[in-house]
Amino acid sequence: DAGVTQSPTHLIKTRGQQVTLRCSPISGHKSVSWYQQVLGQGPQFIFQYYEKEERGRGNFPDRFSARQFPNYSSELNVNALLLGDSALYLCASSLVSGANEKLFFGSGTQLSVL
Amino acid sequence: AQSVTQPDIHITVSEGASLELRCNYSYGATPYLFWYVQSPGQGLQLLLKYFSGDTLVQGIKGFEAEFKRSQSSFNLRKPSVHWSDAAEYFCADGGGSNYKLTFGKGTLLTVNP
Repeated sequence: DAGVTQSPTHLIKTRGQQVTLRCSPISGHKSVSWYQQVLGQGPQFIFQYYEKEERGRGNFPDRFSARQFPNYSSELNVNALLLGDSALYLCASSLVSGANEKLFFGSGTQLSVL
Repeated sequence: AQSVTQPDIHITVSEGASLELRCNYSYGATPYLFWYVQSPGQGLQLLLKYFSGDTLVQGIKGFEAEFKRSQSSFNLRKPSVHWSDAAEYFCADGGGSNYKLTFGKGTLLTVNP
């Protein structure tokens, strides 16, 4: 079975642009979470979606948005990119929603903002 | 606010030596504690988790961790390190929330031959 897949693997954007990152969860998983990992730091929670509804949001500005589709795949959108948005963006899926659920992480999308 | 502290940024051990990586959590109620490992350019892989019950938990790849409420700690151990264990290790806490993990800043493990 395929794991969590993310696309693209690498992306270079310039300040002010918009970006969309994509995530396909493990088959059967209904929950998708997004994390931002800045170089040298641990991942920081951005969003969780379960059954196409937002279940939680981290401390990120409104420039960050996400959605989950009927097939449980998800997109993370970031508008008006800043240099500080440069990071590895990780998607994780789990069977159901809950902080005690085992998360399966994708390899991430490395975003560089110039 | 909930926080996880990993006091050691970088640890170097010799292959075959024992290993202990430290983790302290701040959430007062029963935490949901995890250890993840991340190899370069990869996502995170779960090593083990603790929710309740036996405070010594066994994980994959020969790792174990012990939950000590009195010390607010959840340290990761391995009796004999292999070169393939070189990676970055993250401790995380899901307690106090039903939807997110709070990660520590990670400990980079280097293994010398």
